[in-house]
Amino acid sequence: ELKVEQNPLFLSMQEGKNYTIYCNYSTTSDRLYWYRQDPGKSLESLFVLLSNGAVKQEGRLMASLDTKARLSTLHITAAVHDLSATYFCAVGGMNRDDKIIFGKGTRLHILP
Amino acid sequence: EADIYQTPRYLVIGTGKKITLECSQTMGHDKMYWYQQDPGMELHLIHYSYGVNSTEKGDLSSESTVSRIRTEHFPLTLESARPSHTSQYLCASSELGSGRARETQYFGPGTRLLVL
Repeated sequence: ELKVEQNPLFLSMQEGKNYTIYCNYSTTSDRLYWYRQDPGKSLESLFVLLSNGAVKQEGRLMASLDTKARLSTLHITAAVHDLSATYFCAVGGMNRDDKIIFGKGTRLHILP
Repeated sequence: EADIYQTPRYLVIGTGKKITLECSQTMGHDKMYWYQQDPGMELHLIHYSYGVNSTEKGDLSSESTVSRIRTEHFPLTLESARPSHTSQYLCASSELGSGRARETQYFGPGTRLLVL
């Protein structure tokens, strides 16, 4: 059964600092997603990672995927207050009909 | 930009009432999903569908039902609302295609439900 674990679940950090959110998953997968959710809002797709070694960057956020280690990271560079949100990773199974399983989310609070 | 809509956006209702939450998408996606999410917490999959006349229960027993008579429409019905149903309900859709990038889930804006 596919399980997805994110850590940390809560993170408070200063503006200007770098940090990494980790997403581990339990079974083989070749598709991983990162989403952002602002308080009271819905989920917004950030990145789709589909192959081992995939790296994608958007502004101060960079996501990577290591399928052998079953690990994805979301790296935040020089954090700014606007990045405060909850970040979810989600993993799909190898079969087309497999459900996408979400992690519990990382609540990120960036202090000015 | 994803075109997935949910109505109502907010609903306050008394215990025992029957309610239907609407979800529609105009992207022609085969897969549709309903999630329940308490504020700031994890998502729980309650129902999903891979196409017309296909529905499956998710991981959370929510005493709700769904139907998929048309590709674009995936309503969620609570036969008898209870205070424990108070939550946010998110609808999502994705393609069922050979290109895995197309399987990104696009989320609707959500329905916030309060059962008194």
